[in-house]
Amino acid sequence: SAVISQKPSRDICQRGTSLTIQCQVDSQVTMMFWYRQQPGQSLTLIATANQGSEATYESGFVIDKFPISRPNLTFSTLTVSNMSPEDSSIYLCSAAKTRRSSGNTIYFGEGSWLTVV
Amino acid sequence: GIQVEQSPPDLILQEGANSTLRCNFSDSVNNLQWFHQNPWGQLINLFYIPSGTKQNGRLSATTVATERYSLLYISSSQTTDSGVYFCATGWALNFGKGTSLLVTP
Repeated sequence: SAVISQKPSRDICQRGTSLTIQCQVDSQVTMMFWYRQQPGQSLTLIATANQGSEATYESGFVIDKFPISRPNLTFSTLTVSNMSPEDSSIYLCSAAKTRRSSGNTIYFGEGSWLTVV
Repeated sequence: GIQVEQSPPDLILQEGANSTLRCNFSDSVNNLQWFHQNPWGQLINLFYIPSGTKQNGRLSATTVATERYSLLYISSSQTTDSGVYFCATGWALNFGKGTSLLVTP
């Protein structure tokens, strides 16, 4: 398994501000991803965090709004920029490990619960 | 992308009952996983099961890849089983909408 730590775990943010979420994995992983889960909804992939290069964003998500860094194989950050109440969500970091016995298993951090007021 | 549909959307069980959750997917997949999200939001990986059957305690899962569905079985349910169960496919996971399970004492 992989232990993934996210911080902050919870925050209340003012409209128009930006917040950076940090994600630390306890071992080197192949891939890291960022998801958003809006209240009562399923998870939606924001982007794949690529080590040493720009993240790969899914349709509907842009770098200006959700800049992502991944300076090494165990750490990534997601910034939610110029926040509005619609950005109130749980933001989850995940990491993928590949093992012969378990395939491409993906693990999740505890999530960061953001409320924008 | 691949469409993932889960059923039922909601389920209420009495403690001790058994249940089956279903996940249909629209195309062949080489990665299918089941997750449990507890009421505090933590996502726990239950099974990596692109095909075949696996068991872990009271939980088991079966994927019939040729027919594009997967089933999650919960036996002798407990209140701690409450939460949302998601299936997801693909390398960068594409999630279904989940089954919300409530187990009552």
